[in-house]
Amino acid sequence: QVQLQESGPGLVKPSETLTLTCSVSGGSIMGTTYYWGWVRQPPGKGLEWIGNVFHTGSTSYSPSLKSRVHISVDTSKDQFSLRLSSVTAADSAVYYCARRQGYFYVMDLWGQGTPVTVSS
Amino acid sequence: QSALTQPAFVSGSPGQSITIPCTGTSRDIGSYNHVSWYQQHPGKAPKVILYEVTERPSGVSDRLSGSKSGNTASLTISGLQADDEADYYCSSYAGGSILVFGGGTKLTVL
Repeated sequence: QVQLQESGPGLVKPSETLTLTCSVSGGSIMGTTYYWGWVRQPPGKGLEWIGNVFHTGSTSYSPSLKSRVHISVDTSKDQFSLRLSSVTAADSAVYYCARRQGYFYVMDLWGQGTPVTVSS
Repeated sequence: QSALTQPAFVSGSPGQSITIPCTGTSRDIGSYNHVSWYQQHPGKAPKVILYEVTERPSGVSDRLSGSKSGNTASLTISGLQADDEADYYCSSYAGGSILVFGGGTKLTVL
């Protein structure tokens, strides 16, 4: 079955750029009904949708993060990536990659999550 | 887009029913049926338990049900069990390819 796995550094310095990658296994990222996205959860807090990408490269982002976020897709590797620039301590969170059903806007498959701490 | 509003805490005894409301606006819940609910146990990734307001993914218990009225969606869990103790989040499409989550509700089974 399809599985998602996040990877990337667990520690990022303030003002730098956070970069995470999600690898899709057991299936292709080229599926026409799925979008691929990122959700984060600060310690002890709720879920925050960051954005998603279609296999064509088309993206949508949370308005509150739009100026700092870029999500891209590499179909040759069945991977998609998150870049978040100018990070601060407020960006410390568990970052989840997830698959979104295209029409129903539901995140039906999630990675296990990867913790990221922003600290000098 | 602001987060959807959920009560921070809800509790119930085994066998009882509880309802968790999720209040949005006319720009999200009030305009679309793309409302989903997620269950999250401590240290685990969220898991979808309802989508399109009332639809249950395969394998999800029929003790869970959803509804919507106006700008408010609700999750009802009947016949509470110990394993239902978790955090629950609602989400809704908010137009413009944007998703918004609720703040989350911690369910305690007494």
